[in-house]
Amino acid sequence: DGGITQSPKYLFRKEGQNVTLSCEQNLNHDAMYWYRQDPGQGLRLIYYSQIVNDFQKGDIAEGYSVSREKKESFPLTVTSAQKNPTAFYLCASSIDRDRGLSSGANVLTFGAGSRLTVL
Amino acid sequence: KNQVEQSPQSLIILEGKNCTLQCNYTVSPFSNLRWYKQDTGRGPVSLTIMTFSENTKSNGRYTATLDADTKQSSLHITASQLSDSASYICVVTPFNNDMRFGAGTRLTVKP
Repeated sequence: DGGITQSPKYLFRKEGQNVTLSCEQNLNHDAMYWYRQDPGQGLRLIYYSQIVNDFQKGDIAEGYSVSREKKESFPLTVTSAQKNPTAFYLCASSIDRDRGLSSGANVLTFGAGSRLTVL
Repeated sequence: KNQVEQSPQSLIILEGKNCTLQCNYTVSPFSNLRWYKQDTGRGPVSLTIMTFSENTKSNGRYTATLDADTKQSSLHITASQLSDSASYICVVTPFNNDMRFGAGTRLTVKP
């Protein structure tokens, strides 16, 4: 079955540590995204990538880094510079980056999420 | 201020009852509006997609409506089931810009 796999499901981090969240997709999608979800707030875009070896900052990129060395993979590193990293992180992909220029059929497919807790 | 506001924040209904969730947005112009269902601890799953020119879209017991004049959308759930318990997220995509997500409505269906 095609889909997006995120790992780990749960992750605990000590202050000052960097942690990396994995995201793998086998949908042959060009665009991949990382979102952060906090209680009572809408999803906020951290980073996105439209093509291999290219990625762009989203609304809340500070304290995060990404790479896109393969089409299928888009790992997110939460660095020690992120002051409030406890959150639910969602990876998503789409055929290409939907900026409202398509008919609306460009649907985001999400992974199951990774919950990061800072101890 | 969030460009996509959803109400109510949470809702509890009895199994078999109908309910309507609201989404008000200020994004303009926009390309499409989507409703997603998110089960607890899972990623969102698309329910409906409407372009700016559509008024209604159904997916089984889920019916979404859109009024572009008042900038409002609603998601109506008919004959609710226990499995409908989830968060429902409204997402608006502006032209030539990134999606804007509402905070969601948390629906609980009780037996």
